[in-house]
Amino acid sequence: QKEVEQNSGPLSVPEGAIASLNCTYSDRVSQSFFWYRQYSGKSPELIMSIYSNGDKEDGRFTAQLNKASQYVSLLIRDSQPSDSATYLCAVNMAAGNKLTFGGGTRVLVKP
Amino acid sequence: KAGVTQTPRYLIKTRGQQVTLSCSPISGHRSVSWYQQTPGQGLQFLFEYFSETQRNKGNFPGRFSGRQFSNSRSEMNVSTLELGDSALYLCASSPDGAGNQPQHFGDGTRLSIL
Repeated sequence: QKEVEQNSGPLSVPEGAIASLNCTYSDRVSQSFFWYRQYSGKSPELIMSIYSNGDKEDGRFTAQLNKASQYVSLLIRDSQPSDSATYLCAVNMAAGNKLTFGGGTRVLVKP
Repeated sequence: KAGVTQTPRYLIKTRGQQVTLSCSPISGHRSVSWYQQTPGQGLQFLFEYFSETQRNKGNFPGRFSGRQFSNSRSEMNVSTLELGDSALYLCASSPDGAGNQPQHFGDGTRLSIL
């Protein structure tokens, strides 16, 4: 079992719809969770960070964390073609800065 | 504020050679982490440096090494290059070593081994 798992996609959503991305992790003591967006040929760009159970909203993005279920998700509202990218879930499972990444979910937003 | 700067952007080497990659973190950031990204394995953690000390290490062979200088700049070195070392090498920085602050990535160095 991988430490951080994501559906590889592609997740195809029409423009203006909500894209829902899921991520599960194996280490119960993990405390820090991050979502990164990566365009093809580019480096990962931080979208959201979340540390406590519940929802965290930032513009069109909402991150949700459920530590009991070891589950973190990302919602993209009013999806735009420019949101087409690979979304990476990252979990800090150790003391210090050591991110474990999921394989990423490719999102395609169709006009 | 300038972001994370990695040099060079592209490198072509042959098997058996060695290579050194450089990373300058965001000003004021003291933690630098290195990652390798390949199509097959995804993004994998190499090591983290904080206050010139390696604090975390991933599951990579000893051919991969790094160091951090007193100004927080970091270098990683790969010796005896193998074809499988072809990858995008990413450096990320964060303010400190607490682990609860986001890491910000540079543009990466794309290494090709012939």
